[in-house]
Amino acid sequence: KQEVTQIPAALSVPEGENLVLNCSFTDSAIYNLQWFRQDPGKGLTSLLLIQSSQREQTSGRLNASLDKSSGRSTLYIAASQPGDSATYLCAVISRRETSGSRLTFGEGTQLTVNP
Amino acid sequence: KAGVTQTPRYLIKTRGQQVTLSCSPISGHRSVSWYQQTPGQGLQFLFEYFSETQRNKGNFPGRFSGRQFSNSRSEMNVSTLELGDSALYLCASSGGLLAGTETQYFGPGTRLLVL
Repeated sequence: KQEVTQIPAALSVPEGENLVLNCSFTDSAIYNLQWFRQDPGKGLTSLLLIQSSQREQTSGRLNASLDKSSGRSTLYIAASQPGDSATYLCAVISRRETSGSRLTFGEGTQLTVNP
Repeated sequence: KAGVTQTPRYLIKTRGQQVTLSCSPISGHRSVSWYQQTPGQGLQFLFEYFSETQRNKGNFPGRFSGRQFSNSRSEMNVSTLELGDSALYLCASSGGLLAGTETQYFGPGTRLLVL
């Protein structure tokens, strides 16, 4: 059974700092990995999708990498801003557990960026 | 393009009642997935529908059911509500044809409180 772990559970940084969020998964047989952001009490906003054949994806100040063989992904946020404060979730779609679009989520990293 | 919409946004029910939640996917999307989010269990997959057929099912009791209509709108029903069903219920949509490889887009969620 696929399990996804995110470290750290919470992170507090000063504005302007570069930071890295970590995600690991136990079964490397995945279709893709997706990073989301969730603001308190709200739905999930998709940030980046990395297909299993890709190594990284970039969008603005965000860069996500994927090392499928080691079961790891990182989300790099450059020049953090208070508006980046949210919970960041990673999720994978496992080849062995689905014929569809079932996501397995980590517990998330709660990020606080202090002005 | 309008995003994923969910109705109602908030709901208060008492134990033993039943509830129906609705999700309208992004126009053109044919896959709708449902997730339950609680502080203790995180995000857990309920089921996925594609072209009116259930394509995947999570490990939830039979009290949780769903369906999808020909216009891809989906409903989720929970019968005989229990206190533990209090949660944020999220739906996600994707194209569905390239299952496992597409970005999934989430709605704002329905917050259910069972008293």
